[in-house]
Amino acid sequence: GAVVSQHPSRVICKSGTSVKIECRSLDFQATTMFWYRQFPKQSLMLMATSNEGSKATYEQGVEKDKFLINHASLTLSTLTVTSAHPEDSSFYICSAGRQVSNQPQHFGDGTRLSIL
Amino acid sequence: KNEVEQSPQNLTAQEGEFITINCSYSVGISALHWLQQHPGGGIVSLFMLSSGKKKHGRLIATINIQEKHSSLHITASHPRDSAVYICAVRSDRGSTLGRLYFGRGTQLTVWP
Repeated sequence: GAVVSQHPSRVICKSGTSVKIECRSLDFQATTMFWYRQFPKQSLMLMATSNEGSKATYEQGVEKDKFLINHASLTLSTLTVTSAHPEDSSFYICSAGRQVSNQPQHFGDGTRLSIL
Repeated sequence: KNEVEQSPQNLTAQEGEFITINCSYSVGISALHWLQQHPGGGIVSLFMLSSGKKKHGRLIATINIQEKHSSLHITASHPRDSAVYICAVRSDRGSTLGRLYFGRGTQLTVWP
């Protein structure tokens, strides 16, 4: 079946560092990728929707200058957390799919980000 | 109010028991997903359905579009079924077309 690869799986870094997370669809072309954030024991929260070749659409309350999303190809989207602070520590997960397709979305394994 | 409500929030069972997790939603949907999230965080899609019933091994998912309700059943539960089960619906509305709305998840623990 379709596979989405997300890297890195875990990041621990100092406050002020910028962190890049990659999401790759390995065996299909993902016209749309979604980035989610999940706090402990909470549901996934959509941060932004990324369409290949165009600017990402951010959800209300998500700072676009803080969370930079690039979707340069049909197989790769990146999320960069700029100047990360401890409050940015969370679990970030991507999914890939086709926004209007009846095919399911496929999720990456997530990235656990810890900012010291 | 969350667009997707799941119950129960936590569920403990003995190995072999029949498990049911319920999901109700309030938005128009094109499909409903049942997802499984393991302690490491990775998410696996178990089912995507828009009507009726689907079965895969010991897992059964049903949906009633008129009542906006879905259930996930696990027959002959096993400790390896222990995970968080998440109901998610795909919106059919123009401005949010394709977007997934998630329930808070049901933490299932199956004891041997």
